[in-house]
Amino acid sequence: EPEVTQTPSHQVTQMGQEVILRCVPISNHLYFYWYRQILGQKVEFLVSFYNNEISEKSEIFDDQFSVERPDGSNFTLKIRSTKLEDSAMYFCASSFHPEEPQHFGDGTRLSIL
Amino acid sequence: LAKTTQPISMDSYEGQEVNITCSHNNIATNDYITWYQQFPSQGPRFIIQGYKTKVTNEVASLFIPADRKSSTLSLPRVSLSDTAVYYCLVGAYGGATNKLIFGTGTLLAVQP
Repeated sequence: EPEVTQTPSHQVTQMGQEVILRCVPISNHLYFYWYRQILGQKVEFLVSFYNNEISEKSEIFDDQFSVERPDGSNFTLKIRSTKLEDSAMYFCASSFHPEEPQHFGDGTRLSIL
Repeated sequence: LAKTTQPISMDSYEGQEVNITCSHNNIATNDYITWYQQFPSQGPRFIIQGYKTKVTNEVASLFIPADRKSSTLSLPRVSLSDTAVYYCLVGAYGGATNKLIFGTGTLLAVQP
């Protein structure tokens, strides 16, 4: 069964540094998402992306965050200047259609020191 | 998006059938119901989705009564590997948003 893959599995970064989290969605999917989960808390929506533009974003997704689909296969989340509170698991998801189930990767654990 | 309420935790033993009920009193006509499973340090995994009556797949069944104000996820003959958090989500067909709103879920602990 095709799956969403995320790299790296764990990223450790100094506060204030830029970080890029990478995702390869399922190949025929058209809708892409990022979520995050702070340790012990709920999974929170960050942003959805379709047709090379953001379709919706949450309050968490401020000017420090950006997303990009640089080629036909990758989908990235960039945090420009990381803060301690950005430490979390970041999950990428994709779906063929917005009403179809979203398929999640196993996440990148981001640790900000 | 309709708010969902589900038990914080449930205990079961291997081989038993487990039923997790979710309340969604404010579900709208266009809303469908989806269940996800999450293991520690992994992403949520889709289990089953339905709109009304009963849906069954190879891993679970979803029962939705006529008023659709609740739904029940049924896991037949659970094993230790079914220990996970189970989330009930409600989303709209044709809605303006396709974001998933996760609650705290139900932590199912399966014991030998």
